[in-house]
Amino acid sequence: GAVVSQHPSWVICKSGTSVKIECRSLDFQATTMFWYRQFPKQSLMLMATSNEGSKATYEQGVEKDKFLINHASLTLSTLTVTSAHPEDSSFYICSARRRGQPPYNEQFFGPGTRLTVL
Amino acid sequence: DAKTTQPNSMESNEEEPVHLPCNHSTISGTDYIHWYRQLPSQGPEYVIHGLTSNVNNRMASLAIAEDRKSSTLILHRATLRDAAVYYCILNLAIQGAQKLVFGQGTRLTINP
Repeated sequence: GAVVSQHPSWVICKSGTSVKIECRSLDFQATTMFWYRQFPKQSLMLMATSNEGSKATYEQGVEKDKFLINHASLTLSTLTVTSAHPEDSSFYICSARRRGQPPYNEQFFGPGTRLTVL
Repeated sequence: DAKTTQPNSMESNEEEPVHLPCNHSTISGTDYIHWYRQLPSQGPEYVIHGLTSNVNNRMASLAIAEDRKSSTLILHRATLRDAAVYYCILNLAIQGAQKLVFGQGTRLTINP
């Protein structure tokens, strides 16, 4: 149990286009989902926290108008990178916290989405 | 924010125990200690977490110092599949939300 999927697993797009990445909790309901970004040979950087039915909370330095997050249901969160540029090329990873579990319990991570902007 | 410090890399041999240290000297009383690991081009995988007492599960053991300023992840018998970057993370309660803040982690290499 506790499987998180991401779609697509990789995407290549042209500069200036928008890309949507989906994160789904397959066998549990997730009250909170998190989005991370990871550049090569670096650690994960938390971008934002999204709670179902409410606006996402962005970390300092993350542009909310560029990285649109929607958490419309207890099993789906989406991240849209708007007007993507080559510097947005990165590995995007989501994680989810299971509904009903204490907040200090583990998060379940998706497999990641590799975005390349040409 | 409370931070963790880990060695950049460690190396061990297959079928031997591995002790991965982590320092978190500024930990607060409500911060949980989490360990995750990440294989190349994959999302992190939960390993173990604890607050004050030592913890065991099927993957590893977590030994927490009495003053909670350090902890050690113990892999009892490493296999080649345990080669990964291991992250020691404090599950921080910040402004009412709990979130994981990743440090640089330890890259563990397992020799056959």
